[in-house]
Amino acid sequence: GAVVSQHPSRVICKSGTSVKIECRSLDFQATTMFWYRQFPKKSLMLMATSNEGSKATYEQGVEKDKFLINHASLTLSTLTVTSAHPEDSSFYICSARAGGVTYEQYFGPGTRLTVT
Amino acid sequence: EDKVVQSPLSLVVHEGDTVTLNCSYEVTNFRSLLWYKQEKKAPTFLFMLTSSGIEKKSGRLSSILDKKELFSILNITATQTGDSAIYLCAVGEGTASKLTFGTGTRLQVTL
Repeated sequence: GAVVSQHPSRVICKSGTSVKIECRSLDFQATTMFWYRQFPKKSLMLMATSNEGSKATYEQGVEKDKFLINHASLTLSTLTVTSAHPEDSSFYICSARAGGVTYEQYFGPGTRLTVT
Repeated sequence: EDKVVQSPLSLVVHEGDTVTLNCSYEVTNFRSLLWYKQEKKAPTFLFMLTSSGIEKKSGRLSSILDKKELFSILNITATQTGDSAIYLCAVGEGTASKLTFGTGTRLQVTL
């Protein structure tokens, strides 16, 4: 149980285009989903927290107009990187948390974004 | 400021050795501490600790939390090459349910 998928696993796009990444909880309902970014040999940096049906909460320094998050259902959250630039190239990972009082998060396999 | 600090940053051991990974934290409203293992892709959950002094075990891995001294350790006995990975410590604080991750410890187990 507690499987989270991400799609695509790898994407290459041109500078100026937008890219959408999907995060799905496959066998549980995720009241909260998190989006992280990870640079090479660095730890996970939380970008935003999204709750189903409400606006995402962005961490300090993360541009909400650049990284659009939509949590349309209890099993799906999307991250859209708008007008991507080479510095947006990174490993993006989502995680999902089931309801109730728990900090346990289940991670998706990640999406490697390369902006050329 | 660093809220979650892991040490060592990297470690190379021989198969069969025992290793201890450290995680210290400084947060205002601690709720839980979690350990994850990250190989090539996303982290996989190992342990969640909320109470001091209670050891959690899973096979050759074990972990314990000290809420007075604000740290946790992750022990791996009889290491195998498959244990090679980055081990991440994360702390949950407040009511937002979000986690703050440490820098990770990169463990390499050689033959």
